[in-house]
Amino acid sequence: EDQVTQSPEALRLQEGESSSLNCSYTVSGLRGLFWYRQDPGKGPEFLFTLYSAGEEKEKERLKATLTKKESFLHITAPKPEDSATYLCAVLNNRKLIWGLGTSLAVNP
Amino acid sequence: NAGVTQTPKFQVLKTGQSMTLQCAQDMNHNSMYWYRQDPGMGLRLIYYSASEGTTDKGEVPNGYNVSRLNKREFSLRLESAAPSQTSVYFCASSADSGNNQPQHFGDGTRLSIL
Repeated sequence: EDQVTQSPEALRLQEGESSSLNCSYTVSGLRGLFWYRQDPGKGPEFLFTLYSAGEEKEKERLKATLTKKESFLHITAPKPEDSATYLCAVLNNRKLIWGLGTSLAVNP
Repeated sequence: NAGVTQTPKFQVLKTGQSMTLQCAQDMNHNSMYWYRQDPGMGLRLIYYSASEGTTDKGEVPNGYNVSRLNKREFSLRLESAAPSQTSVYFCASSADSGNNQPQHFGDGTRLSIL
């Protein structure tokens, strides 16, 4: 069965403390992997699409990477405004499969 | 930059009442989606519309109906609301459903069924 698992469920960092969020997947026919950010009371906001192993995308303090089994969202020197839930979704041949997200809190 | 607009933002219903959630997008997207988001369950697809004039069931369609009114608008109807339908409902749109274009979301409707 196709599955997407995100870890950790929750992460608390100090401002400036870099870390990584993980999205591991088992799907048949990967067509794309998407990262989203969701703030409380808001809808998911699109961040990145990765299409093939080895691909990397960057935006400000965020960098997403992809292997054949997982994706990492690296957060470099995070700020309190990076606090949010980060969602990963994987597109197989038929549908988009969502992970449950990682709740990130960055303390000043 | 309106993007995807959902109305209402909040709603409280009594069991058995009906209501329609409205969604409109201004990005000229072909595909539109309705999700519900519940704690511990993640985002689950209710219905989607790959293009104007078509609708298809998603993962959890029971108790819901949809209408793709035109290219911009996609509504979700609860005919007889049940407490199990208490959730946050998100509408999304994408350029196309068949390829790997990202979905863009509205800010949701928070629905409570008493």
